[in-house]
Formats: sequence, structure tokens, C-alpha cells
Amino acid sequence: ETTLTQSPAFMSATPGDKVNISCKASQDIDDDMNWYQQKPGEAPIFIIQEATTLVPGIPPRFSGSGYGTDFTLTINNIESEDAAYYFCLQHDIFPYTFGQGTKLEIK
Amino acid sequence: QVQLVQSGAEVRKPGASVKVSCKASGYSFTTSALHWVRQAPGQSLEWMGWLSAGNAYTRYSQRFQGRVTISGDTSASTVYMELSSLRSEDTAVYYCARDEGNGMDVWGQGTTVTVSS
Repeated sequence: ETTLTQSPAFMSATPGDKVNISCKASQDIDDDMNWYQQKPGEAPIFIIQEATTLVPGIPPRFSGSGYGTDFTLTINNIESEDAAYYFCLQHDIFPYTFGQGTKLEIK
Repeated sequence: QVQLVQSGAEVRKPGASVKVSCKASGYSFTTSALHWVRQAPGQSLEWMGWLSAGNAYTRYSQRFQGRVTISGDTSASTVYMELSSLRSEDTAVYYCARDEGNGMDVWGQGTTVTVSS
């Protein structure tokens, strides 16, 4: 099974900040990494596909980078509405696996 | 628009089974796959299995092998997930999610399954 180690588990930011969330895979998964945003009581929203491609309709302050085993979700110019839980998913190797998630708080 | 609408919350006793449905609309049902994922309270997400809607091929996580069955009804554009021999640790929100080749894109609203005696 491919383990995804996501960090940090929790972070706090101020509007206008830039934040990075890391996801490291235990084996090479090419660019088969997606990122999601989830708010309490809601279904996850797809924000980054194939490691670097912004999903249509998602604000351009979100971006993704990485290939192979190391991946990063970056949020520039953080807004209060970005307060959420973020998680990564690898869809290269069965069983598909998720990172442990990052709770982002906006001060 | 693309939508996945799941059945309502369920409460079951330990040892029982539960069957959750996921009705798709707004796209061609048979050209995609549908995953089932669960999220226990305070935990990350866990992949359970998937079904290729066009040919009914299924694949399951070994963790649930033997306890989970995913099936589909193409005439109703609906996928089902049945989990048997329920235990308290199966208390979770269960999601279906569409996959058109780039991982899960659209998710259902989630179904809460509570296992309690």
C-alpha cells in the first residue's frame, strides 16, 4: 500500500498569507496526485488534478507542484473562506490512499 | 450539472448489514467509474472499492474484502455499496465519488452510518 504522509496536520494563517501543504508518497506515483478541500459537514471539493492542474472554477490562488514522491499544495493570498480541511489522494496504485489531512485555520 | 445523490442516514446494530445507494445524473453513467470512500469521526478518508459502471468490473480494498459488495444498476444510473458484519468501528460517513480517469472528481453528499447496540 502507498502511504501518503501529509504535513502539517494543523496550520493557522492570516488573510493575505501564503501557505504550503506537503504530501509525500512512499513510492513513485508519477503525477497521479489530487488535492481536495472539505468544509465541515460538506462533501470534498476537487481543487488540483494530476499534481499541478487547477480544476476549472477553482480560484487561481490555489496551485499544485511536484512529481514522483513529493507534492505540494500552495495557497497564495489566503482568504477567510479558505478555512477548511485539505487532503491529498494518490490514484496511481491500488489501493488508492489519502493523506491524513491538514486543518487550515484563518485568524 | 453532474450530481451524485446518496441515500439517507442509517442506524444498524452490530452484526447487521447496510446498503447505501448513490444516484448519478448529468453525465453518461456508463463511461465512468464510481468509488466508495469512508471517513470515520476524526479520521482521514479510506478507500473501500470501486465499480466500473460500463462493464460492472469491481475492485475492493483488501481491508474490506469479503465484507463489502459494490454493485450497479445502469438503467437507474445508481451504484450501491453493501457492508456486512458491521461493527462499531464502521460508524462513519460514506461517500461515493465519480472517476473519469483522473481520480475522484465529483462526490456525493455523504451518508452517515451509525453502528450501535
